[in-house]
Amino acid sequence: RKEVEQDPGPFNVPEGATVAFNCTYSNSASQSFFWYRQDCRKEPKLLMSVYSSGNEDGRFTAQLNRASQYISLLIRDSKLSDSATYLCVEGFQKLVFGTGTRLLVSP
Amino acid sequence: DAGVTQSPTHLIKTRGQHVTLRCSPISGHKSVSWYQQVLGQGPQFIFQYYEKEERGRGNFPDRFSARQFPNYSSELNVNALLLGDSALYLCASSLGVRATQETQYFGPGTRLLVL
Repeated sequence: RKEVEQDPGPFNVPEGATVAFNCTYSNSASQSFFWYRQDCRKEPKLLMSVYSSGNEDGRFTAQLNRASQYISLLIRDSKLSDSATYLCVEGFQKLVFGTGTRLLVSP
Repeated sequence: DAGVTQSPTHLIKTRGQHVTLRCSPISGHKSVSWYQQVLGQGPQFIFQYYEKEERGRGNFPDRFSARQFPNYSSELNVNALLLGDSALYLCASSLGVRATQETQYFGPGTRLLVL
């Protein structure tokens, strides 16, 4: 089983749609969780950290379910500029990245 | 302020050769981590260095080595290159030693192609 598993997509959605990504992790000792965004042929950039209580940053909401060992990212009112690959990351002794979920937002 | 810088941006090598990749962290950051990203995959952790000492190592062969200098810049060395080493090599810097707890700032990467 992979340490961090994500649906690779692509998720094709129209502008204004709400889209959700899920990710599962295998290490129950993991302490830190993140979502990174990676544009085509660019470096990953931190989108948001994920806290047990859930957290929101504008149109983005992240949730952590420790019992089921999954993390989610919800994007509301999708913009064209949201088109990217979203990487789920867990950290214990090192950061472990998922393969990423590709999002394509169309006009 | 300058972000993380890496050099070279692109590199073509042949099997069996050796390569050195360089990284300069954000000013004030003391931790540098190296990642390998193969096409279609997420970044995979190779090394973390903090204050010139190795603080973490991923599941990579001994052909991969790294070091950190007193100015906190870092080099990643790969010997006896294989075709499978073709990838984007990313360097990330963070403030402290607990790289898993802090924001990692990635450089633009070095694209290595092994022929």
